[in-house]
Amino acid sequence: EAEVAQSPRYKITEKSQAVAFWCDPISGHATLYWYRQILGQGPELLVQFQDESVVDDSQLPKDRFSAERLKGVDSTLKIQPAELGDSAMYLCASSWIAYHSYNEQFFGPGTRLTVL
Amino acid sequence: SQQGEEDPQALSIQEGENATMNCSYKTSINNLQWYRQNSGRGLVHLILIRSNEREKHSGRLRVTLDTSKKSSSLLITASRAADTASYFCATDAEEYGNKLVFGAGTILRVKS
Repeated sequence: EAEVAQSPRYKITEKSQAVAFWCDPISGHATLYWYRQILGQGPELLVQFQDESVVDDSQLPKDRFSAERLKGVDSTLKIQPAELGDSAMYLCASSWIAYHSYNEQFFGPGTRLTVL
Repeated sequence: SQQGEEDPQALSIQEGENATMNCSYKTSINNLQWYRQNSGRGLVHLILIRSNEREKHSGRLRVTLDTSKKSSSLLITASRAADTASYFCATDAEEYGNKLVFGAGTILRVKS
């Protein structure tokens, strides 16, 4: 069964350092999402790609976060510099269609980031 | 900001009992979905109900939607220890740009 792959699964870093997360969506899924989930809360969308284009990054803290999906397949989310408040689970998801009301999203296992 | 709020925040039941979780939301929606998350893992899609539907079943899951009250419920019948997880409702609405907005979730613990 096809799955969304993410790496690393766990990342511990010190504040002010740079971190990067990688996501490989299910083959053929045009839409890719990055979510941040703080402990005890639901996921919050950071950025959404349709193929290689960003269609929603309204909640992405652009002073320190960046995301790219250069070839419209896998994607990288970067934080530079990391802050203590960035400690969270970072989830990647993919789906067939973006602007469709019935889109089921398939989630990866996530990257748990701890900033010391 | 989160559109949906689940109730209760946590629920503990015995294996074999039914579990009911509720979700309330603020704006008119296109669809409402329920997801499950096992401890510290990614989310798994359970069921989607459209705004013009009132009830939907999938195996041991039953979801209802009351758009007049802006609420939904998820019923898990004959619960099993493997149902222990967090359950999230997620809505998509034009007001939120048709993106999925998740609630804070209900933590379900099924004791064997």
